[in-house]
Amino acid sequence: NAGVTQTPKFRVLKTGQSMTLLCAQDMNHEYMYWYRQDPGMGLRLIHYSVGEGTTAKGEVPDGYNVSRLKKQNFLLGLESAAPSQTSVYFCASSYRAGAYNEQFFGPGTRLTVL
Amino acid sequence: AQSVTQLDSHVSVSEGTPVLLRCNYSSSYSPSLFWYVQHPNKGLQLLLKYTSAATLVKGINGFEAEFKKSETSFHLTKPSAHMSDAAEYFCVVSPSGTYKYIFGTGTRLKVLA
Repeated sequence: NAGVTQTPKFRVLKTGQSMTLLCAQDMNHEYMYWYRQDPGMGLRLIHYSVGEGTTAKGEVPDGYNVSRLKKQNFLLGLESAAPSQTSVYFCASSYRAGAYNEQFFGPGTRLTVL
Repeated sequence: AQSVTQLDSHVSVSEGTPVLLRCNYSSSYSPSLFWYVQHPNKGLQLLLKYTSAATLVKGINGFEAEFKKSETSFHLTKPSAHMSDAAEYFCVVSPSGTYKYIFGTGTRLKVLA
C-alpha cells in the first residue's frame, strides 16, 4: 500500500497563478483533510471531507477550494495564488474522525509564491 | 474551546539521557490523544495514541506517554535519547464526537552527541 501520496512535491508560482494539489489514499478512508504548516504555528486545517462528494471549510479556508469527486482523491485548488500562501501543504486521511482514529499523512507539498 | 498546549518549543538533551516533551490539553469528556513525529522535510508519523485502554501508552521507537486526566496532560517520554530522535513532535487532541484534530505548535527536539 502506498498510503497517502501527494502531487507535486515542490512548486513555485507567481502571484495570481493557479494550481491544483492532488492527494490520493489507498486505504479506503472516509475522511480526508488538507492542512498548511507554517513555522511556529503547527498545522492549520484548510478544508476537509467526510466522504465522497462532500467538503467543508476548516480553520483557514480563504483563497482555497477543494473537491472530492472520488473517495480516494482530494484536490486542493488555489485560484489566484498570493505570497501569503507560501507554505508546506499536507494531506491526511482517517477511517473516521476522532474515536481513537489516527490520521495518516502524505509527504507534503512545498509551495512558494513569488 | 478545545486546545492543546505544548509547553516547550525547543528541548535539547544529550544522547543517552531521558526525554520529556510536555503536552496539556483542554477538552470535554474523553478526547482522543496522539503524538506525531516529523523529521526534517518529511510528513508526520504517528508515534502513539491514547485509546482509553490504559493510561500508560507505549509507542514506536521506545516512546511512551501517560494520560493524566486530573492534570489534563499527555506528556511524552523516552528513557534514553538517540541521535535519530532529533525531530519535531506534535501533540494532537481530537474531542469526542467531532471531526477535529487540534494540533499543538510543536516541540523541536535536539539531541546532542
